[in-house]
Amino acid sequence: DTGVSQDPRHKITKRGQNVTFRCDPISEHNRLYWYRQTLGQGPEFLTYFQNEAQLEKSRLLSDRFSAERPKGSFSTLEIQRTEQGDSAMYLCASRVPRTGGTEAFFGQGTRLTVV
Amino acid sequence: GENVEQHPSTLSVQEGDSAVIKCTYSDSASNYFPWYKQELGKGPQLIIDIRSNVGEKKDQRIAVTLNKTAKHFSLHITETQPEDSAVYFCESGTSYGKLTFGQGTILTVHP
Repeated sequence: DTGVSQDPRHKITKRGQNVTFRCDPISEHNRLYWYRQTLGQGPEFLTYFQNEAQLEKSRLLSDRFSAERPKGSFSTLEIQRTEQGDSAMYLCASRVPRTGGTEAFFGQGTRLTVV
Repeated sequence: GENVEQHPSTLSVQEGDSAVIKCTYSDSASNYFPWYKQELGKGPQLIIDIRSNVGEKKDQRIAVTLNKTAKHFSLHITETQPEDSAVYFCESGTSYGKLTFGQGTILTVHP
């Protein structure tokens, strides 16, 4: 297990459809984060998990968004009734504590285009 | 919630020059300040970080300084090289909780 993997890398969907993304963190990393990044902006925090528990959700995470981490390993992010404004890169990261702080390992992201 | 402002949004330097990027944060409870480098088509990668009990940290050509009183921290890259060209992000928050990213700085190093 060499890093955080996200699937799919790219997704094109029609407005109104549901989409689901998957993130596989580095094994034994119990903190998993989801971010959304639009062009020219920094990643925006969406939510994070400690094992299977969802500890915090951003106000950005409307009721159309839901995230799960059922067994404390991989996580899914689902967007229902997609809108054009949902088009963005969705990044997943796992964090591990280390001396002086934590280290975040990011996946390469899932680029969503809503047409 | 935490508000992080990052400046400048773009920075262009000649190879060998130094580059400085600055971030300010609003939440006095923040105690962890990492910096990331993001290359095209990739996720951000941690390059250096600092905790609030330290004023400066250096790793080869990269250094980070923190002023807790003024709530700002800066990334310093010396002897820049073309491969340093990328987007750089700061982040602020608590080390094992929620952190907030800055808006990013596009650094271009001209040979």
